[in-house]
Amino acid sequence: DSGVTQTPKHLITATGQRVTLRCSPRSGDLSVYWYQQSLDQGLQFLIQYYNGEERAKGNILERFSAQQFPDLHSELNLSSLELGDSALYFCASSPGTGLGNQPQHFGDGTRLSIL
Amino acid sequence: AQKITQTQPGMFVQEKEAVTLDCTYDTSDQSYGLFWYKQPSSGEMIFLIYQGSYDEQNATEGRYSLNFQKARKSANLVISASQLGDSAMYFCAMREGRFLGNQFYFGTGTSLTVIP
Repeated sequence: DSGVTQTPKHLITATGQRVTLRCSPRSGDLSVYWYQQSLDQGLQFLIQYYNGEERAKGNILERFSAQQFPDLHSELNLSSLELGDSALYFCASSPGTGLGNQPQHFGDGTRLSIL
Repeated sequence: AQKITQTQPGMFVQEKEAVTLDCTYDTSDQSYGLFWYKQPSSGEMIFLIYQGSYDEQNATEGRYSLNFQKARKSANLVISASQLGDSAMYFCAMREGRFLGNQFYFGTGTSLTVIP
């Protein structure tokens, strides 16, 4: 158990819809990262938050948005969903402070299927 | 330029043999960290091993070791005595700089298949 909790585990919805993925980081972790993993595209970095502030942005579509709340949990919002958005969405967290050997710890992912 | 390059999309190894998975990185920072993760077919991402840029010794964790060649900017993962359970996708990653809240960069991964 990595300590990172993602809900829901599975999500099936239709094109054009909007969904929210939720992530609770490990206790004490300040950084939250979101990744998209499609079958043919590997692990794509979407966005990172550090202590409530956006820290880095990757290949995140304008239809997607995220935020990190004061209690450090994070939500990834996906709107106007398309078939190509079907993927495994990972949240990861890391302390952001302390020793440099702190890795990211990943949640189990949310598998999103667009019908 | 890619921050992390993994040039082996797929690798095969005989059970009980050792295997090396390649990873090269690109950074101008003096301080950085290198990480390897394993993703079995069940999907979870498992942290395996870490190497810091100032570490003089290669990192080891059980059957995993990291062959760190700083001048070549390579951080290859060596798995000794391969087991069937080692069959998985392996990702190399880097965090640049001293700030521990910095972004992680991941490679495209290497798929390892262990043959009985």
